[in-house]
Amino acid sequence: SQQGEEDPQALSIQEGENATMNCSYKTSINNLQWYRQNSGRGLVHLILIRSNEREKHSGRLRVTLDTSKKSSSLLITASRAADTASYFCATPIIQGAQKLVFGQGTRLTINP
Amino acid sequence: GAGVSQSPRYKVAKRGQDVALRCDPISGHVSLFWYQQALGQGPEFLTYFQNEAQLDKSGLPSDRFFAERPEGSVSTLKIQRTQQEDSAVYLCASSFSRTVSNQPQHFGDGTRLSIL
Repeated sequence: SQQGEEDPQALSIQEGENATMNCSYKTSINNLQWYRQNSGRGLVHLILIRSNEREKHSGRLRVTLDTSKKSSSLLITASRAADTASYFCATPIIQGAQKLVFGQGTRLTINP
Repeated sequence: GAGVSQSPRYKVAKRGQDVALRCDPISGHVSLFWYQQALGQGPEFLTYFQNEAQLDKSGLPSDRFFAERPEGSVSTLKIQRTQQEDSAVYLCASSFSRTVSNQPQHFGDGTRLSIL
């Protein structure tokens, strides 16, 4: 079973617009990670936010974390065609196992 | 190479055949993970190595799945007597850290396995 759920499952916007994706998770975490996957490729790590952080920025990416609501959001500003990909949130399961648990992902399409 | 390398990129096998998938992690990375990704889904954890020790194999779907990392570097995922439901992309990831929570994982491009 998967820990996180992304919302929406698919998102299509025009180039230059902002894209927001949401992730909800079930258990307590000490950090949450976002990954990007281009079609036919592996996942690329984007950003890690720790449980004591509320917001983090990296270039055009902004991630927020609300541990009280067990949710996170990823904002991509001024989107580009190259941002077209699937985006996944992942949380580490610490108790009894060392592994990342991924959500089902948001498929983002940027239209030129 | 600088990244995680997986081979083959594509594998087609007939139901009942055995297959072996290879992963070359980033040099010096202690932790190595295998994931299975079905079409349109997120990756699902299969197994985890710290150096040559397989510390977690709780995600392996059945005893037909076997993974090894004998010298603590290259890893092989073997699937015996393949079935159609084994068709998926198999991703390998490595990490410098011994603890999953502290560092990102670096992924290969995966092996797309199709069972006919």
